[in-house]
Amino acid sequence: AQSVTQLGSHVSVSEGALVLLRCNYSSSVPPYLFWYVQYPNQGLQLLLKYTTGATLVKGINGFEAEFKKSETSFHLTKPSAHMSDAAEYFCAVSARNAGGTSYGKLTFGQGTILTVHP
Amino acid sequence: EADIYQTPRYLVIGTGKKITLECSQTMGHDKMYWYQQDPGMELHLIHYSYGVNSTEKGDLSSESTVSRIRTEHFPLTLESARPSHTSQYLCASSIPGLASQYFGPGTRLLVL
Repeated sequence: AQSVTQLGSHVSVSEGALVLLRCNYSSSVPPYLFWYVQYPNQGLQLLLKYTTGATLVKGINGFEAEFKKSETSFHLTKPSAHMSDAAEYFCAVSARNAGGTSYGKLTFGQGTILTVHP
Repeated sequence: EADIYQTPRYLVIGTGKKITLECSQTMGHDKMYWYQQDPGMELHLIHYSYGVNSTEKGDLSSESTVSRIRTEHFPLTLESARPSHTSQYLCASSIPGLASQYFGPGTRLLVL
């Protein structure tokens, strides 16, 4: 069974500061890894994903994440926070099948609420 | 841009009523999912479907049922709503082999 742990249910940064949201996973085989963002009263929007290849993944809105197999981590970063980044962020994993593709089902972390102060 | 729709967006209903939450997608995706999300909590998979006439229970036990008669439509039904069903319900879809899921805007359900 796989699991996802997001360290810190709330993160607060100043506008212009570095954003770092932490995600660790537990899986016998490196899974597909995702970050989603959820704005109030909306569904989830995919920020970025890691499937294979380059371990540094760039996503939308200036976010990026690095897959570190040795640390079983997939932390999300953004060099300079904007007020519009305030939202809840979810890390998720999907197990790989024998062929290397995804089973499709996602397991989500508990979420991290990002607050950006002026 | 993903096109996945959920109706209603908000629903307040009394205990014992039967409700159906609608989910439709126009992308032709075979895989569809229903998640339940309580405020401030993670999403829990309650139902999924890999295609027409295919439905499976998810990781979280739910008293709701689903059907998949058409590729684009994946409704969720509660035969008798209870206050414990109060939650947000999110529908999603994806292409087989690709894990990226596209989410609808969600339905917020309040059972009095």
